Formats: sequence, C-alpha cells, structure tokens
Amino acid sequence: QKEVEQNSGPLSVPEGAIASLNCTYSDRGSQSFFWYRQYSGKSPELIMFIYSNGDKEDGRFTAQLNKASQYVSLLIRDSQPSDSATYLCAVNFNNDMRFGAGTRLTVKP
Amino acid sequence: NAGVMQNPRHLVRRRGQEARLRCSPMKGHSHVYWYRQLPEEGLKFMVYLQKENIIDESGMPKERFSAEFPKEGPSILRIQQVVRGDSAAYFCASSPRDGVGYQPQHFGDGTRLSIL
Repeated sequence: QKEVEQNSGPLSVPEGAIASLNCTYSDRGSQSFFWYRQYSGKSPELIMFIYSNGDKEDGRFTAQLNKASQYVSLLIRDSQPSDSATYLCAVNFNNDMRFGAGTRLTVKP
Repeated sequence: NAGVMQNPRHLVRRRGQEARLRCSPMKGHSHVYWYRQLPEEGLKFMVYLQKENIIDESGMPKERFSAEFPKEGPSILRIQQVVRGDSAAYFCASSPRDGVGYQPQHFGDGTRLSIL
C-alpha cells in the first residue's frame, strides 16, 4: 500500500513569515515528488517538482527532498494572503501518482 | 493551449440515474487519471488508464463505477444508479507517455456531481 502522509493542519502563519509544509511517503522506489496548490472550489495546480535529494528553489518556493528519510517538504518564504490554500504533496512511481490529503495553509494579514 | 478538458462542469442527477463524466487529456498526453474529492477532503485516486487499457483501478468502487479510455474520443467515467454519497467533485488529470515516473499530472477543472 503506497501512502503519502501530510499534516492536515490548518497551518496558520502571519504575512511575511516562512510557511513550512511537510510530507512523508512509504514507497522507497518513488521517483519524483510534486507539490500542488488547490484553492477552495478549484482544481489542483502544480507549483513545484523535485527528483533529487537536496533543495530546489523557485521564487519564494523551496522544495526539499530526503529520500533516505522518505521526506519531502515545501517552504514558502515571505508568505502572502494569496498563498492561503490547501497544499497537496504527490509522489510518483512509474506514473502511479499518489496524493496526500493536503495541508490547509492560512496566511493572516 | 488546450489543457485537460472536462465536461460537464456541473451535473445534477436524481438517485438511480446514470452519470457520465468526460475527460479529454492535454494534447500529446496518453495517460488519464480520475480522482474523487469530497468537500474539505483530499483527492482520492480512482483509476489510471491508457488508450484502451485500464492500468490501475484499485481506487474504483467494485460496483456501479466504470471507466474507459477508447482509441478515439475522451475518457469516460460512468456511475450507474447514483446515490447521494456519489455527490463530489470528480477531477481528471493527464500526463505524457514519455518520462515515465517523472512527469507531473495536469488537472482539468473538474465535474461537480450533485445527486438529488
């Protein structure tokens, strides 16, 4: 059973702070890792992907991957109220993608 | 720049009727995935299809639900004899054939199914 676990939250941070979202996965053979953002009533939108151990930065977003610990995280710097959404972690093995339940983030002005 | 197209956006059915949800993948994509999402809950995987093949249907309820992705035309998720508990948002996603294991999925806008 391939599982992807996320803290459901809600996670609340003040505007301008760093939001840290965490995800663990069970399948050691997983090949690629994705973060999606989903606004209420909308479809998931891809914001980051990472394949290799270490950090990957894209603007205010940094994805971190540790395959030994089966752990992937997303950091959002200088959080904005518009970042308030549910963040879904997804793990891919041979195109078999599994999603976590999502972490709801609220950024307070 | 056509993305994943789902229709209808909203579908209302009475208990006992059939619901048909359609999904056309992005151009060049040959893999289709269906997910169900209840309000305030996460995405639940239902089925993974390639053209004329069901690859993984481990998330599909054993009864009343079926999916297909024919050689021509969109993928169809079919729910027979719908019940109130089938009310949810159904999302379709697609990914390309190349780069197996490393490609993200791209989502359609979803179909909101309401059962009266």
